[in-house]
Amino acid sequence: DVKVTQSSRYLVKRTGEKVFLECVQDMDHENMFWYRQDPGLGLRLIYFSYDVKMKEKGDIPEGYSVSREKKERFSLILESASTNQTSMYLCASSGEGRRTGELFFGEGSRLTVL
Amino acid sequence: AQKITQTQPGMFVQEKEAVTLDCTYDTSDQSYGLFWYKQPSSGEMIFLIYQGSYDEQNATEGRYSLNFQKARKSANLVISASQLGDSAMYFCARKGGSQGNLIFGKGTKLSVKP
Repeated sequence: DVKVTQSSRYLVKRTGEKVFLECVQDMDHENMFWYRQDPGLGLRLIYFSYDVKMKEKGDIPEGYSVSREKKERFSLILESASTNQTSMYLCASSGEGRRTGELFFGEGSRLTVL
Repeated sequence: AQKITQTQPGMFVQEKEAVTLDCTYDTSDQSYGLFWYKQPSSGEMIFLIYQGSYDEQNATEGRYSLNFQKARKSANLVISASQLGDSAMYFCARKGGSQGNLIFGKGTKLSVKP
């Protein structure tokens, strides 16, 4: 069964802490994405990567960075967490296929910054 | 910005009845794909149905069908014979160009009443 795995379902961090959210996919997908989900705003793209060591900014990259050292792993980094980064974070991956663009999602990481 | 609009923040439907969730989109592309995802309270995003812009038939997947009206740029999701387990958030999405990411609407919360 294909899978996208996010390292933590729930995290609680303090303002100013560095936060790492890890995502691993086992489908050999080229593309990986980090979205942020907030009530009433839907899903907004933070960063994405279409190859190892490649990254592109999405719609809301401020306050975030990413790392993709291996094809299967895509990490989201909050260098100095702030309360307005309290949110649900969703990782996804995609590859070529009939439904080009279909995203496979992880279960989400709910981050609370105090 | 190319948008996805879901005008119904919340909807109620009686169990066993059909329900239509609205979605309209902006695009200047000739070829594109449209997706619907379901998000139960547990948080995972579940792919439901896909429609390609050049598909001649409206997409169907079990109890889900897509009422695709290309000229109106609408892609409404129809759920037949609603079940209690259909209670969830539903997101419409479109592929956002060559990068492979999906652009999502803000979602519709569907509640199925027994």
